[in-house]
Amino acid sequence: GAGVSQSPSNKVTEKGKDVELRCDPISGHTALYWYRQSLGQGLEFLIYFQGNSAPDKSGLPSDRFSAERTGGSVSTLTIQRTQQEDSAVYLCASSLGGSGETQYFGPGTRLLVL
Amino acid sequence: KQEVTQIPAALSVPEGENLVLNCSFTDSAIYNLQWFRQDPGKGLTSLLLIQSSQREQTSGRLNASLDKSSGRSTLYIAASQPGDSATYLCAGVSSDYKLSFGAGTTVTVRA
Repeated sequence: GAGVSQSPSNKVTEKGKDVELRCDPISGHTALYWYRQSLGQGLEFLIYFQGNSAPDKSGLPSDRFSAERTGGSVSTLTIQRTQQEDSAVYLCASSLGGSGETQYFGPGTRLLVL
Repeated sequence: KQEVTQIPAALSVPEGENLVLNCSFTDSAIYNLQWFRQDPGKGLTSLLLIQSSQREQTSGRLNASLDKSSGRSTLYIAASQPGDSATYLCAGVSSDYKLSFGAGTTVTVRA
């Protein structure tokens, strides 16, 4: 079956612009996660959704970052007034349930802020 | 907070040699541990998931062990092939369900 998909695959934007990143999880997966992989920083957790609610937003680096999930499916990560330090690969993952389940990752969105 | 460390950071072996990749974690109340493979410019591919109640998991040439008491997991890859060249990441899940990743071990298998 189809895996996790993300769009766009690459995004180049100018500093100060807003960007939206999209994640389509595996059908039927209730849990959805966003991570960020920065050069030299490794992978860091951003936010977790169970259904449409986000019980944990603790990983969002600033109030310029927000995410929503509608219909228990597609999620959008929005970065407002982008900064150069936001340049990274943004990875989305989904799992059938919550903790204890294998997380399956999408190919990521490579964001470059000039 | 779960801290995950992977040693070595890079490894180069001749084809056919067995690979041993080490992962250590600080929170012994780990829920499960997952090993991933990442190819350059690509996303993460899940290799093995070990639940906290398990000691090891096997899939083909891959075997992963988990020792909660010592805070260690080891990924063994038997009879390495050039196609095994990639970065291998381990990640632990504690009760808060988010994955805490190590920095990865970059493996090069020389033909």
